[in-house]
Amino acid sequence: AQKITQTQPGMFVQEKEAVTLDCTYDTSDQSYGLFWYKQPSSGEMIFLIYQGSYDEQNATEGRYSLNFQKARKSANLVISASQLGDSAMYFCATQAGDNDMRFGAGTRLTVKP
Amino acid sequence: EAGVAQSPRYKIIEKRQSVAFWCNPISGHATLYWYQQILGQGPKLLIQFQNNGVVDDSQLPKDRFSAERLKGVDSTLKIQPAKLEDSAVYLCASSPSGGRRDTQYFGPGTRLTVL
Repeated sequence: AQKITQTQPGMFVQEKEAVTLDCTYDTSDQSYGLFWYKQPSSGEMIFLIYQGSYDEQNATEGRYSLNFQKARKSANLVISASQLGDSAMYFCATQAGDNDMRFGAGTRLTVKP
Repeated sequence: EAGVAQSPRYKIIEKRQSVAFWCNPISGHATLYWYQQILGQGPKLLIQFQNNGVVDDSQLPKDRFSAERLKGVDSTLKIQPAKLEDSAVYLCASSPSGGRRDTQYFGPGTRLTVL
């Protein structure tokens, strides 16, 4: 079974600084996908970035990058140059085999001006 | 391109009443998902449709929850009768093909409060 762990319930970062949100996962499948979603207070889950288990390079999307360490089963999200609008809940998720997508408990990020 | 639409956005009911939620996925998306998100937790899949057929409903409490996707487009999720523990946000998502690592796009959710 898949399991996602996000150990940071809450994080604070100063505006314009970078922040890393941690995610570790547990799966016995060799082929899987890793996702990060952002959930603002409005409630909608917004897709940020995707990493495939066989992708050799770390994924990047604008200010978002994924620090993928396969041997450690970790997929940390790095947000560079934080903005006030980045304040939200962030969820890590994985999909492996024929299993459904599993989400972690989330990390609440607060960007301070 | 219009996103996933859901209604209502908020609903308050008393326990033992029934309630229904509606979802309209992104045009052309074959796969539709319903998730339940309890406060302080990540979303949990309730049911997945591929076109108008059910792919996975293993986590759907079938004694009280039902869902349908007629004509492979819109979907409704119903709870009857509701319990206090059903208070949650119900999220609908869609993806183009339902492939194993297909990106899912979410709607704004329906926040249900059961009193």
